[in-house]
Amino acid sequence: GAVVSQHPSRVICKSGTSVKIECRSLDFQATTMFWYRQFPKQSLMLMATSNEGSKATYEQGVEKDKFLINHASLTLSTLTVTSAHPEDSSFYICSAATGFPNQPQHFGDGTRLSIL
Amino acid sequence: QKEVEQDPGPLSVPEGAIVSLNCTYSNSAFQYFMWYRQYSRKGPELLMYTYSSGNKEDGRFTAQVDKSSKYISLFIRDSQPSDSATYLCAMKDGTASKLTFGTGTRLQVTL
Repeated sequence: GAVVSQHPSRVICKSGTSVKIECRSLDFQATTMFWYRQFPKQSLMLMATSNEGSKATYEQGVEKDKFLINHASLTLSTLTVTSAHPEDSSFYICSAATGFPNQPQHFGDGTRLSIL
Repeated sequence: QKEVEQDPGPLSVPEGAIVSLNCTYSNSAFQYFMWYRQYSRKGPELLMYTYSSGNKEDGRFTAQVDKSSKYISLFIRDSQPSDSATYLCAMKDGTASKLTFGTGTRLQVTL
């Protein structure tokens, strides 16, 4: 149980393109979803927290107009990197949780984004 | 000082060895403790989830929490080459949904 599917797994696109990444909880309802960014050989850096039906809460230093997050249902959240540039190239990972404080986060398999 | 300290390694052990991975933390409000395994170019996979001090065992894995010392451990028995990965500790308090992660320890199990 507790499967989180993230799509696509790999994106290569030109500078200036907008890229959408989907995160789905397949077998549970995710009240809360999280988006992380991970640089090589580093730990996960939380970008934003989204609750179903509400605006996302962004961490300090993360541009909300650059990284658009939508959490329209209890099983789907999307991250759109708008007008992507080479410095946005990274490994993006989502996680999902039921919202109960005693339940863990479950992670997707990540999206490797490369902006040329 | 970071809230969660974890030795980044790399830690290299022979197949069959017992592996001990550790994290220390400073925030006494942390109540829930997790260990995730992350293979290269993959998302973290939940291995163990514990609440309160004590031990929890699942197959070859044992998680240990000592709240009085603010110290958590993950033991892997009979380590296998397939255990080679980065192990992340993570924790949160009783109300927050956000996790605080360690830096991760890279483990290499050699034949």
